[in-house]
Amino acid sequence: ETGVTQTPRHLVMGMTNKKSLKCEQHLGHNAMYWYKQSAKKPLELMFVYNFKEQTENNSVPSRFSPECPNSSHLFLHLHTLQPEDSALYLCASSHSWGLNTEAFFGQGTRLTVV
Amino acid sequence: GQQLNQSPQSMFIQEGEDVSMNCTSSSIFNTWLWYKQEPGEGPVLLIALYKAGELTSNGRLTAQFGITRKDSFLNISASIPSDVGIYFCAGQGGSEKLVFGKGTKLTVNP
Repeated sequence: ETGVTQTPRHLVMGMTNKKSLKCEQHLGHNAMYWYKQSAKKPLELMFVYNFKEQTENNSVPSRFSPECPNSSHLFLHLHTLQPEDSALYLCASSHSWGLNTEAFFGQGTRLTVV
Repeated sequence: GQQLNQSPQSMFIQEGEDVSMNCTSSSIFNTWLWYKQEPGEGPVLLIALYKAGELTSNGRLTAQFGITRKDSFLNISASIPSDVGIYFCAGQGGSEKLVFGKGTKLTVNP
């Protein structure tokens, strides 16, 4: 079992749907992250939670709504997405949010918006 | 904001050859990380560097934190087919955010 687990691995949704991505980490880390990975672009940081508190929202549209009920679980709620939101969404965790941070990634959710 | 220039964008090599890729930045970084991503998977951390001049190995992989703190390189010796994937550098400077390069896609021909 990997340290960071994401479900589902693949998701196809219409623009009017509501869906959620789930991330769970078994590493005892206190910080969790959502990244977006699009073709030909660097990984884009979306949200950061440190000790369950949101510390970063990188100008992400409100159609993406994160939730962190505890240090081990992170959700990304999706609603009224656009086709350009299709991408690989990666969850990561680290010991804490700060310097000298090693982030460990999940396998990602491949999202297709139709 | 901080940006990383990673090169080359792609490499096509023969099995057994050595590989070198690098990342440069216009600003100083305190941490350099190197990741590998295989198709359909998330990035996997290969090597972490924390001090200027540091040279660290992980099997056939060797990475160095540049003396100027503005660059890092990754070498792979005696490549094998399972080395294929996309290699990403990531750096952390004055802020807590990790900044990622665009990746180097490696193809190894048997």
